[in-house]
Amino acid sequence: AQSVSQHNHHVILSEAASLELGCNYSYGGTVNLFWYVQYPGQHLQLLLKYFSGDPLVKGIKGFEAEFIKSKFSFNLRKPSVQWSDTAEYFCAVIGDYGNNRLAFGKGNQVVVIP
Amino acid sequence: KAGVTQTPRYLIKTRGQQVTLSCSPISGHRSVSWYQQTPGQGLQFLFEYFSETQRNKGNFPGRFSGRQFSNSRSEMNVSTLELGDSALYLCASSPISGANVLTFGAGSRLTVL
Repeated sequence: AQSVSQHNHHVILSEAASLELGCNYSYGGTVNLFWYVQYPGQHLQLLLKYFSGDPLVKGIKGFEAEFIKSKFSFNLRKPSVQWSDTAEYFCAVIGDYGNNRLAFGKGNQVVVIP
Repeated sequence: KAGVTQTPRYLIKTRGQQVTLSCSPISGHRSVSWYQQTPGQGLQFLFEYFSETQRNKGNFPGRFSGRQFSNSRSEMNVSTLELGDSALYLCASSPISGANVLTFGAGSRLTVL
């Protein structure tokens, strides 16, 4: 079964600082990878996804993530955060293409101080 | 285009009771998945339905069940509620079953007293 690890559950940083959230998964086969974001009081939204092709994927709001197959990682980055990026970020993986069973990490609670 | 709609948004039950939650997927989406979100365990997969058939089930006891109707709407039921069932229950829909992007609803917040 697939699993996902996210470290540094709570992250506090100032506006304009750079953000990097780590995500490691365990699954031996081909995977689809996702980052979802949950803003305060809002529902989970897709930030970006990787299915195949260029391992550097760009998402909404200036976020990007890099898939490194050899490291089983899919780290999320943003060069300069804004107060509005305060949210919880979840990495997720699907390894079995026959269903929609996402395995989520425990999430990163990010607080951006103005 | 309407999103994924979940009802009720909030509910309070007592131990031993049962609860039914409803999910209406995006029009045209035939796959509906359910997840439980808690502070301690994060997001955990409950089950997925596609074309009225359960495709997959997570590691939850038999008290958790679900079904899907011919119009793709889905319900999940939890019987004999326990305090630990307090959680946000999220529904997600997708056009088909198979490693797709899921669109999530706002969730149903269940509190068990």
